[in-house]
Amino acid sequence: EIVLTQSPGTLSLSPGERATLSCRTSQSVNSIYLAWYQQKPGQAPRLLIYGASSRATGIPDRFSGSGSGTDFTLTVSRLEPEDFAVYYCQLYGSSPPWTFGQGTKVENK
Amino acid sequence: QVQLQQSGPGLVKPSQTLSLTCAISGDSVSSNSAAWNWIRQSPSRGLEWLGRTYYRSNWYNDYAESVKSRITVKPDTSRNQFSLQLNSVTPEDTAVYYCARGGHEFDFWGQGTLVTVSS
Repeated sequence: EIVLTQSPGTLSLSPGERATLSCRTSQSVNSIYLAWYQQKPGQAPRLLIYGASSRATGIPDRFSGSGSGTDFTLTVSRLEPEDFAVYYCQLYGSSPPWTFGQGTKVENK
Repeated sequence: QVQLQQSGPGLVKPSQTLSLTCAISGDSVSSNSAAWNWIRQSPSRGLEWLGRTYYRSNWYNDYAESVKSRITVKPDTSRNQFSLQLNSVTPEDTAVYYCARGGHEFDFWGQGTLVTVSS
């Protein structure tokens, strides 16, 4: 099973700053199979990015995804107050299981 | 807009069966393009995909190896919903359980149900 490792564990930033989150896979993967989610306390995860770089419906363009092989990145160009949350990457392939990273918390400095 | 509404008990005794239901609106459990999943989240295990059911001229299921011997995910076409049954639960099965739509990425989620396994 492919393991996803997210870094850093916590990112302390201020509104207006740029957030760069990393997701590394233990084996090279097809980039079309990488998704990112945002989760706020008490809520279900919300799909942000699929196929490594495609924004889900209704997601603002300050969120962008990139990467290939084993290294993937979620970038929030300018943090808004509502963007402080935990972010997860997820790997899916042609067949299960689907796996998640352990998460990166973006906190307000 | 797709909405998923979860229901089921929040407390289950050890060795008993955890049962949850997810009612679908805005889509069909019999859709030929969707899959219907159960995912759980706990501090110790993080987000963990458990299993899914989907229809492609026939009904199919996939399950995570970690729970394969104990899990059943079933569609209910008459009520447009699907269910999770997890047998022989232990305290390690304590988690927030989510239903979600998605064949690969998960685009719609239920509200989550905290299930505590305790006597």
